[in-house]
Amino acid sequence: ETGVTQTPRHLVMGMTNKKSLKCEQHLGHNAMYWYKQSAKKPLELMFVYNFKEQTENNSVPSRFSPECPNSSHLFLHLHTLQPEDSALYLCASSHTSGIEADTQYFGPGTRLTVL
Amino acid sequence: TQLLEQSPQFLSIQEGENLTVYCNSSSVFSSLQWYRQEPGEGPVLLVTVVTGGEVKKLKRLTFQFGDARKDSSLHITAAQPGDTGLYLCAGGERFNKFYFGSGTKLNVKP
Repeated sequence: ETGVTQTPRHLVMGMTNKKSLKCEQHLGHNAMYWYKQSAKKPLELMFVYNFKEQTENNSVPSRFSPECPNSSHLFLHLHTLQPEDSALYLCASSHTSGIEADTQYFGPGTRLTVL
Repeated sequence: TQLLEQSPQFLSIQEGENLTVYCNSSSVFSSLQWYRQEPGEGPVLLVTVVTGGEVKKLKRLTFQFGDARKDSSLHITAAQPGDTGLYLCAGGERFNKFYFGSGTKLNVKP
């Protein structure tokens, strides 16, 4: 409904697995974001892409690897995760002037559980 | 480090009551957004305010941006069970940086 879709909606993985989260936006935006939402903590910005270029990496561990092949698609590759990485991972998109922050629109999220 | 504080953290009221939730910061933002999030779903945008002192109304919801663009409030009139959810504020600044508060969890009982 918001124009941002995420797959899968739920994912359970072991610590040695490799998996990928996918996000697609149909809003014609040129900025995309990954956030982590854990219980009782504010949304944590992980990565920002503007025009397919990564412009923000908020000290995220290397076991999370983003990929942005074009302005409409964003991936988050996961490998050797820890149980504390279990959370709701949210993708968002927005227009960007490159200067001011524009309103973000969120996808429904992927609920990740690491065993 | 930017910090947005939301209050109260939890609020449980009866249908028909009025309520106000607050979002405060010591920093100035170029814009401020309010979202509502339901369990297991992503946040859904309610409103964006950009001008100090701005007031926006969305049916029974009234949003206000402080004159100094550091704080905001959300007032709900005659709350309904459908208003139940997590209300998040987010401050935006240059170069697409956004900072979220930890939210107010609202429960409206029938």
